[in-house]
Amino acid sequence: DAKTTQPTSMDCAEGRAANLPCNHSTISGNEYVYWYRQIHSQGPQYIIHGLKNNETNEMASLIITEDRKSSTLILPHATLRDTAVYYCIVRGNTNAGKSTFGDGTTLTVKP
Amino acid sequence: GAVVSQHPSWVICKSGTSVKIECRSLDFQATTMFWYRQFPKQSLMLMATSNEGSKATYEQGVEKDKFLINHASLTLSTLTVTSAHPEDSSFYICSAFKHSMDDSPLHFGNGTRLTVT
Repeated sequence: DAKTTQPTSMDCAEGRAANLPCNHSTISGNEYVYWYRQIHSQGPQYIIHGLKNNETNEMASLIITEDRKSSTLILPHATLRDTAVYYCIVRGNTNAGKSTFGDGTTLTVKP
Repeated sequence: GAVVSQHPSWVICKSGTSVKIECRSLDFQATTMFWYRQFPKQSLMLMATSNEGSKATYEQGVEKDKFLINHASLTLSTLTVTSAHPEDSSFYICSAFKHSMDDSPLHFGNGTRLTVT
């Protein structure tokens, strides 16, 4: 699976949009981009995933660049409860779910 | 939504004893489950892939005789840490894969914090 690069940490003001970038320049055609987050001392939580089109659900939006080499997770109105480590993972659809986690981005939402 | 239950949520055991951790998919069948380990301030590290009805596949450097995995049904996988030592103290997390679609996301349990004294 392609490797991803994320900033180590980011801050965001409560109520503002949080935009978390992810670089996956070696992504191949059958690989999806997945986002998970992990709140302290809990298991990771699935947020959203996509292949090449932008996606939106009740939690977030995922913007994937046209060349698919990078993506941005957008939390439209961040709350204090969104403080977590956010992981961007690229995974092929033939991997039967096997996913490798990088270091992720620690997002701190501040009042 | 897909729910994965992990039990126990925390356990303290003495050095040399064995500990079993259960991972259940509550509302879907999971032909594949994954076991991860996480040390403080580090990311999740994949330990092994658990396949229903067959032997688990371990990642490089993970001792299969120490971390016994059993996936006897489509809703249950167990990880047994045998002869635990203090260095095995960690946060163990399981995840389940629905297999209904190839791009299905993983669904994670809430983890088990193991402390070996």
